Amino acid sequence: EVQLVESGGGLVQPGGSLRLSCAASGFTFSSYDMHWVRQATGKGLEWVSAIGTAGDTYYPGSVKGRFTISRENAKNSLYLQMNSLRAGDTAVYYCARGGAMDVWGKGTTVTVSS
Amino acid sequence: QLVLTQSPSASASLGASVKLTCTLSSGHSSYAIAWHQQQPEKGPRYLMKLNSDGSHSKGDGIPDRFSGSSSGAERYLTISSLQSEDEADYYCQTWGTGIHDVVFGGGTKLTVL
Repeated sequence: EVQLVESGGGLVQPGGSLRLSCAASGFTFSSYDMHWVRQATGKGLEWVSAIGTAGDTYYPGSVKGRFTISRENAKNSLYLQMNSLRAGDTAVYYCARGGAMDVWGKGTTVTVSS
Repeated sequence: QLVLTQSPSASASLGASVKLTCTLSSGHSSYAIAWHQQQPEKGPRYLMKLNSDGSHSKGDGIPDRFSGSSSGAERYLTISSLQSEDEADYYCQTWGTGIHDVVFGGGTKLTVL
């Protein structure tokens, strides 16, 4: 079964750091671009970062310089290192597969609050 | 600038059909998009990839009631024989010329009456 499972969410103070993980199974992970997408309560979906099969990375302006996406193909895993967290980063974070995001995880919740 | 525009809300009766629209910004009318469904309190679910010529490829297990079509810069999602479980938010999404160019529409909240 093709599956993505996120982990690593939690409560963190403003200015703090958190590392999210996404475990992939049921497909050849190394062959796919991967994304992180977030959703604040009551809001729409927001693209957070992408990594290509060659390890090329991309970010929107809202997180560039604070977030780092990476992958470890040997472990079928995707990561998101989040630094200098702000209240506005509070959201459910999802990992998704490929340009069309044809597989989604169930998400992990990040709360940034003092 | 690549932008996807969706109406915030739509409604239709149980058993009827509804057509949701996603509009690509000027200069980007050739782009493929994807449609995603998000039922209340659940994560997003991929419905289909929709090309500019109207051809589409649906995700595993997506019922035949869901179909896609295109006209110019418009991308459509048609849901026929509406069921109560179709009440959800529907998002269109594109990756433009590559994964560096990912954009979501604002979403359409579908109410089944």
